[in-house]
Amino acid sequence: AQKVTQAQTEISVVEKEDVTLDCVYETRDTTYYLFWYKQPPSGELVFLIRRNSFDEQNEISGRYSWNFQKSTSSFNFTITASQVVDSAVYFCALGGGSQGNLIFGKGTKLSVKP
Amino acid sequence: GAVVSQHPSRVICKSGTSVKIECRSLDFQATTMFWYRQFPKQSLMLMATSNEGSKATYEQGVEKDKFLINHASLTLSTLTVTSAHPEDSSFYICSATLSGGISTDTQYFGPGTRLTVL
Repeated sequence: AQKVTQAQTEISVVEKEDVTLDCVYETRDTTYYLFWYKQPPSGELVFLIRRNSFDEQNEISGRYSWNFQKSTSSFNFTITASQVVDSAVYFCALGGGSQGNLIFGKGTKLSVKP
Repeated sequence: GAVVSQHPSRVICKSGTSVKIECRSLDFQATTMFWYRQFPKQSLMLMATSNEGSKATYEQGVEKDKFLINHASLTLSTLTVTSAHPEDSSFYICSATLSGGISTDTQYFGPGTRLTVL
């Protein structure tokens, strides 16, 4: 069975702190894709990153970085020097199935306080 | 690129009425669109997968006669909630993939529609 676990339900940090959001996945597929989406209070899901199972290189995009470790089935997301605008719910998702549907984790609500 | 719109953004209706939600891919053709439902403070749950020109594939537990999906063109899919009841109140989100709907594709999401049934 495919599953995505985001163990952190809510995280609260003060602006400029670094924060890491955890994501652990389960799949029997040898080829799969992992995603992170941001959902601000407005509700729209914003695509952040897609990573395929064959590429374990870490990725950095500005203040965002992702650490993909197949050995531990984890795909963690770090925000460096957090800002108030980073406050949102962040979802990790696993791409699978013949029609490309996504399996979402339950999300982590990040609150960044000034 | 890869912008998806939804209309309406909010709708309030009386119990027993039907509500249609539109999902459009604005700058690309979407062979496959997905419909999700999200309850407050919960994750997204896939309702159905919609392929242009064919019948939608519904997830287990989703009533296809209750949630009618039509994907008549490569840029438009509609979800009609028939005979809506208060328990249908939720946030409905659609997404679209650039091609084929295979697991390699990134899904781009619409802004969502908040349905409130009185």
